[in-house]
Formats: sequence, structure tokens, C-alpha cells
Amino acid sequence: DAMVIQNPRYQVTQFGKPVTLSCSQTLNHNVMYWYQQKSSQAPKLLFHYYDKDFNNEADTPDNFQSRRPNTSFCFLDIRSPGLGDAAMYLCATSREVGEPQHFGDGTRLSIL
Amino acid sequence: QQQVKQSPQSLIVQKGGIPIINCAYENTAFDYFPWYQQFPGKGPALLIAIRPDVSEKKEGRFTISFNKSAKQFSLHIMDSQPGDSATYFCAASTAARGSARQLTFGSGTQLTVLP
Repeated sequence: DAMVIQNPRYQVTQFGKPVTLSCSQTLNHNVMYWYQQKSSQAPKLLFHYYDKDFNNEADTPDNFQSRRPNTSFCFLDIRSPGLGDAAMYLCATSREVGEPQHFGDGTRLSIL
Repeated sequence: QQQVKQSPQSLIVQKGGIPIINCAYENTAFDYFPWYQQFPGKGPALLIAIRPDVSEKKEGRFTISFNKSAKQFSLHIMDSQPGDSATYFCAASTAARGSARQLTFGSGTQLTVLP
């Protein structure tokens, strides 16, 4: 039944070791978003794809990259995770920009 | 000008009470105001949304009141239940020419409904 699926739900990596988080959707939505959410804070948009067009937020660190190989899948790559990157990472989709966003349940990333 | 200010930060009510969460914005280009509900360990779920051409919208026990002149909107939860205990985020977005319609979130309100 889940429409936006994030894997894994929990990810542990070592300081500086690259990590990839994945998101898939069954909604056939054009737009996919990646958010970072730290404890007791609002989600912070990192970037989004409209179809294959990548849109980076101005304050997203270079350490964060994304790939969208097809409509259904989107990946978040963290090249060299630091302790400050420990957070919940949320994927969301919307049919068009400006339409309601549907969120996955997130991947909680821990950095050792 | 992109900020959305949300209050209170936390709220405790008794079962059956009517918690009210308030949000204020500055950017008059905002034209879509959703509320999201987030349970621990889950992603935010769209609860209810309003556009500025109406002053109130109800869906079940949830009501949004919108005051365009004051640039404020609020969420009311009627007959609140312990199962409503969650974090609530207001948000706003715009379809201004040349910009993507991104959500600007409020800081969140942690609601506890006591049995």
C-alpha cells in the first residue's frame, strides 16, 4: 500500500564513508524531493527533481548528491558523511510542482 | 520573507479539548497552505490544506481558519483524542513566476492529548 518507499529505514555508517539512501514511488509523480530533518525540527529541502531536471537548494552542502535514473527511483548520496549529517532523510513526491507532497517514512542515518 | 512562524512549540490538552495551532507568514505570494501531521518515526502526512480564496476549510475534526489580511492561518482540532498526539507542521508555498513551488515549513508544534 505504501506509495513512497524508503530503504533502508535505518542506516549506520562510519564517519567519512559514502552512503546511499534510496526512494521509490508507485505514484508515477513527476517531482521527487529529498529533505533532511533533524530532531525536533522541520524538514529542510535539500533538492528536488522535476522529471530529470535537478534543482539544488542554494544552501545544500556539496557533500550531498542525488540521482534519478528513472521516474520511480531517486537516490541520495552522501559522499563523506560527517557527524552533523546524522538525521532523518525524507523523500517526497508530487504530481507537479506546487501540488500536495506525499512523504515516505524516512531513513534514519546514524554516523559512527 | 520566506519564513513561516508557528506557535506554540508544544501544547498539552485534555481529551475532548480543542487545541489551536497558529501560523503567520510574510510573503504575500504564498497561495497554498497545507498542514502536515507527523508521528514519531514516520514521515509527515498531509492533513488538510487551504488556498487564500476561502476563510475556512473543514475535514472531519480538523479545521483551518485563514485570515488573508492578517497573513495568519490556524489549525483547530475538534474533540481531540490521544491518537491525535503528534507533531504538526504548517507550511506555505508559492507558484510565483520563475520559482519552483517549494514548501516553507513552520517550526512544528508537538501536541499531547491526555486521556
